[in-house]
Amino acid sequence: EIVLTQSPDFQSVTPKEKVTITCRASQSIGSSLHWYQQKPDQSPKLLIKYASQSFSGVPSRFSGSGSGTDFTLTINSLEAEDAATYYCHQSSSPWTFGQGTKVEIK
Amino acid sequence: EVQLVESGGGLVQPGGSLRLSCAASGFTFSYYWMHWVRQAPGKGLVWVSHINNDGSTTNYADSVKGRFTISRDNAKNTLYLQMNSLRAEDTAVYYCARPTASWDSSSPVDYWGQGTLVTVSS
Repeated sequence: EIVLTQSPDFQSVTPKEKVTITCRASQSIGSSLHWYQQKPDQSPKLLIKYASQSFSGVPSRFSGSGSGTDFTLTINSLEAEDAATYYCHQSSSPWTFGQGTKVEIK
Repeated sequence: EVQLVESGGGLVQPGGSLRLSCAASGFTFSYYWMHWVRQAPGKGLVWVSHINNDGSTTNYADSVKGRFTISRDNAKNTLYLQMNSLRAEDTAVYYCARPTASWDSSSPVDYWGQGTLVTVSS
């Protein structure tokens, strides 16, 4: 099973600041890495697929990069509505998810 | 509009059973692999199981293998998860999930249900 480790676990950020979340895989997964946003009491929402492809309807301030074992989710110019927990996900069987990064607005 | 609506959750004693359902609409259900993903209270996402479009291929997380069974009824556009020998650690919100690409079990999820809460407690 591939283990995904996100960092940091928690980040407190002021609006308009840039946020960077990293996800490291225990073995190479190519570009089969995806990012989701989950707000309290809601289902997750897909932000980025295959490491760097923006999903339809996602604001352009969200972007992804990386390949192999190291991946990054970047939120440029954070907005208040971006307060959420962010998860990375690798889709080789068995699927696994990172432990989550909670982003709080200061 | 794609919709996934789970039902069947509730309170069950350790060792008991429950069957979850996920009613799908707004897309050709019979074309798609489907997944169950769970989330314990205050915890992260954990994949549980998946099934291919015609039900002939299934896979399970080690933690549920031998206790849970995934199935589908394409005539009823419904996905199921039969959960037996339930344990306290199975307490979670269970989501059904549809991948972006119908033919690809490894494509990410673009639609999630609202989830159904399963609580295993005496």
